[in-house]
Amino acid sequence: EAEVAQSPRYKITEKSQAVAFWCDPISGHATLYWYRQILGQGPELLVQFQDESVVDDSQLPKDRFSAERLKGVDSTLKIQPAELGDSAMYLCASRITGTWEQYFGPGTRLTVT
Amino acid sequence: KQEVTQIPAALSVPEGENLVLNCSFTDSAIYNLQWFRQDPGKGLTSLLLIQSSQREQTSGRLNASLDKSSGRSTLYIAASQPGDSATYLCAAVYGNKLVFGAGTILRVKS
Repeated sequence: EAEVAQSPRYKITEKSQAVAFWCDPISGHATLYWYRQILGQGPELLVQFQDESVVDDSQLPKDRFSAERLKGVDSTLKIQPAELGDSAMYLCASRITGTWEQYFGPGTRLTVT
Repeated sequence: KQEVTQIPAALSVPEGENLVLNCSFTDSAIYNLQWFRQDPGKGLTSLLLIQSSQREQTSGRLNASLDKSSGRSTLYIAASQPGDSATYLCAAVYGNKLVFGAGTILRVKS
């Protein structure tokens, strides 16, 4: 069964360092999402892509976060510089355009020290 | 503001018990309501998706209902098992966007 892939699964970084996460959606899924889930809370949308275009990045802290999906397939989410409050699970999801269901990857657990 | 609330925040039950998890949403103009399961440190697994035109969906021992007018959804788990222990999240679907609740942490004791 096809799955959304994410790497790394775990990342520990020091405050002020740069960090990047990678996501490979299910083949054929044109819509891709990045979510942040703080411990004890539900996921919150950071950015949504349709193919290579950003559809919604209204909740993305653009002073330190950036996201790209250059060829409309895999995607990278970057944080520079990382802050203590960025410690969270970063989840990627994808779906087939025109359908409702989003499929989630295993996530990247980020710890900022 | 679109908000989703889940009650209770945590629940501990003995094996075999039937249980109900509650979800409420402030904006009734939802497209769908989706229930997910999340195991510790893992991603989300979709359990059930109820379209706005439907009132309920069933999958095995799980049954989810949706009442748009009252802004509520419930997830019913029959004959709970220790393997059901996880966090259960509901999400209101507004267009392309999912708005999640904080989840209910379920522990089923053997």
